[in-house]
Amino acid sequence: QSVLTQPPSLSAAPGQRVTISCSGGTSNIGTQYVSWYQQLPGTAPKLLIYENNKRPSGISDRFSGSKSGTSATLGITGLQTGDEADYHCATWDSSLSAHVFGPGTEVTVL
Amino acid sequence: QLQLHESGPGLVRPSETLSLTCNVSGGSITSDNYYWGWIRQPPGKGLEWIGNIYDTGSTYYNPSLKSRVTISVDTSENHFSLRLSSVTAADTAVYYCARLSDWGEIQKWGQGTLVTVSS
Repeated sequence: QSVLTQPPSLSAAPGQRVTISCSGGTSNIGTQYVSWYQQLPGTAPKLLIYENNKRPSGISDRFSGSKSGTSATLGITGLQTGDEADYHCATWDSSLSAHVFGPGTEVTVL
Repeated sequence: QLQLHESGPGLVRPSETLSLTCNVSGGSITSDNYYWGWIRQPPGKGLEWIGNIYDTGSTYYNPSLKSRVTISVDTSENHFSLRLSSVTAADTAVYYCARLSDWGEIQKWGQGTLVTVSS
């Protein structure tokens, strides 16, 4: 059971905006950087957001990240069929001395 | 362009040791300040961090696996390796090798390799 909580699934129509939440505590999200990963079906995860809100080179600005207190949020605007994937949040937990991942959120484009 | 590629047996017997190697190409394993790590994903489940190693050999392991895990690096061969002892069916997973920044984000992933623990 993960120390980070994400909704299991979300769905929206093409062109819509979705937000994925990642909730934790003071030993992880509250005091550490959060990163987000996109995992398309049958492939390895890919870094989408790092240090809470930064995008690596080549990542569309349709993806955004934010953090407030012990929660983080990934936003996807202009939803496309190619965005159908699992999305994972991750951070360091200073109490566990471990990198921890959220359970993942499956995004479906209707 | 940096690439990581996992290699090793796809089938391991219960109680034996799982051994995987991650070959790094397109860049040196000693360049800049990166960690090199292993993450796994059981079928249909979420991601689990196994551990990291720095090019100096310093290691950091998931406390839940620490007693069974060894990660090592061979800078001359530009690869790093994972050994997980006393495996059970619960260790069946896709194993990914990866490059991590100092702040912990996983910048680059290997394609992953499925390891099944079964007799």
